[in-house]
Amino acid sequence: KAGVTQTPRYLIKTRGQQVTLSCSPISGHRSVSWYQQTPGQGLQFLFEYFSETQRNKGNFPGRFSGRQFSNSRSEMNVSTLELGDSALYLCASSLAEDRVETQYFGPGTRLLVL
Amino acid sequence: GNSVTQMEGPVTLSEEAFLTINCTYTATGYPSLFWYVQYPGEGLQLLLKATKADDKGSNKGFEATYRKETTSFHLEKGSVQVSDSAVYFCALVANDYKLSFGAGTTVTVRA
Repeated sequence: KAGVTQTPRYLIKTRGQQVTLSCSPISGHRSVSWYQQTPGQGLQFLFEYFSETQRNKGNFPGRFSGRQFSNSRSEMNVSTLELGDSALYLCASSLAEDRVETQYFGPGTRLLVL
Repeated sequence: GNSVTQMEGPVTLSEEAFLTINCTYTATGYPSLFWYVQYPGEGLQLLLKATKADDKGSNKGFEATYRKETTSFHLEKGSVQVSDSAVYFCALVANDYKLSFGAGTTVTVRA
C-alpha cells in the first residue's frame, strides 16, 4: 500500500505571497492532519479533517487554512506569507475509526520564505 | 491541556551501548502513546505505540512500556547501531485526534 504523499517537496516563496500544499493519504484513510515543524517551536498541530469537515484546529492565525476533498486528499493554504512561516509542513493520515487511531506521516513539504 | 516532556538531547553513544530516552506526559482521559523517529531530511516514521496501561510497544529492538502510575513511556534499546542515529519524538493522542509531541531527542551513535 502506498504511503502518504505530499507535493511539492520543496518550495521557495517570498513574503506576501501565498502557497498551497497538497497531501494524498494512505488509501482507505479518511482523516488527514497537518503539522508545522520548526527548530524553535518543534512540531505543532495545525488542523485535522475528516470527511471534508474540519474537526480540530490548532492555534495558528487565519492565514493558515485547509480543506479536504471527497477522495480524502487535502490541501493547506497559507496566505500573506511571513518569514516565520518557513518550516517543514507534515501531513499525516489515519483510519480515524476511533479517536486514538495511529497517524502515518508523509515526507513533508519544506517551505522557505524569503 | 495535553503535553509531553522528553529528555533533552543531544545524546551521543557508542555502538552497542544501551539507550534510554525518558518521556512523561500529562493528559486528560486515557491517551495512546507513541514514539516516532525522524531521519535527516525525512518525515516522521512510527516506531512503536501503546494504547493502554501496561502495554509494551516494541519494534526494531526498541521497547517502551505505558506506565499509567508514573505517566511515563520511556524508550529503550539494548544495543544501538550507527543506523539508529536520528531524532526521536514521544507523542500522545487523547480525545481530540491531534498528536501532542515532545521536543525531540537527537541521538548520535558513533562507530
